[in-house]
Amino acid sequence: EPEVTQTPSHQVTQMGQEVILRCVPISNHLYFYWYRQILGQKVEFLVSFYNNEISEKSEIFDDQFSVERPDGSNFTLKIRSTKLEDSAMYFCASSDLPGGSSYNEQFFGPGTRLTVL
Amino acid sequence: GNSVTQMEGPVTLSEEAFLTINCTYTATGYPSLFWYVQYPGEGLQLLLKATKADDKGSNKGFEATYRKETTSFHLEKGSVQVSDSAVYFCALSDRDDMRFGAGTRLTVKP
Repeated sequence: EPEVTQTPSHQVTQMGQEVILRCVPISNHLYFYWYRQILGQKVEFLVSFYNNEISEKSEIFDDQFSVERPDGSNFTLKIRSTKLEDSAMYFCASSDLPGGSSYNEQFFGPGTRLTVL
Repeated sequence: GNSVTQMEGPVTLSEEAFLTINCTYTATGYPSLFWYVQYPGEGLQLLLKATKADDKGSNKGFEATYRKETTSFHLEKGSVQVSDSAVYFCALSDRDDMRFGAGTRLTVKP
């Protein structure tokens, strides 16, 4: 069964460093998403991406964040200068239909745990 | 804007007990509704979904009915098992994002 994969499973970084979190969505999917979950808190939407551009982003997704689809398979989230409060689990998701569709289902990856020291 | 409110946990039940986790939503359009489950140390897995009013989603003995009149999507299971211990998230989607509830941690004791 096709699945979304994410690497690394755990990333530890120093405050101020740049990190890139990687995701490989399901191959025929066209819509891509990043979410984060601070430990013990709710899952929060960060950004959605379609046709090589951001289609929607939340207030969390500020200038420190960027997303890219550098090739036909990867979807990356970059945090330019990490802060302590960026420590969280980051989930990638993909779907073959847009969020507004009645049949939309987003498939989630296992997550990358980011720890900022 | 769209939002989801779900019952705060944690919830602790004995095996074979009846489970209800309440979820209500606020939406301007006609969203699809979902329940996701997160087992310890794992990512989010779709448990069930409903795409329009009066639809009932079901999977693994869990059920939830999309109630437009009460803007609710309560999760129920008639007889829980120890293996159902996890965090359950109610969510809605009607645009490009998905809004999650805060999550309810369920612990089932033998």
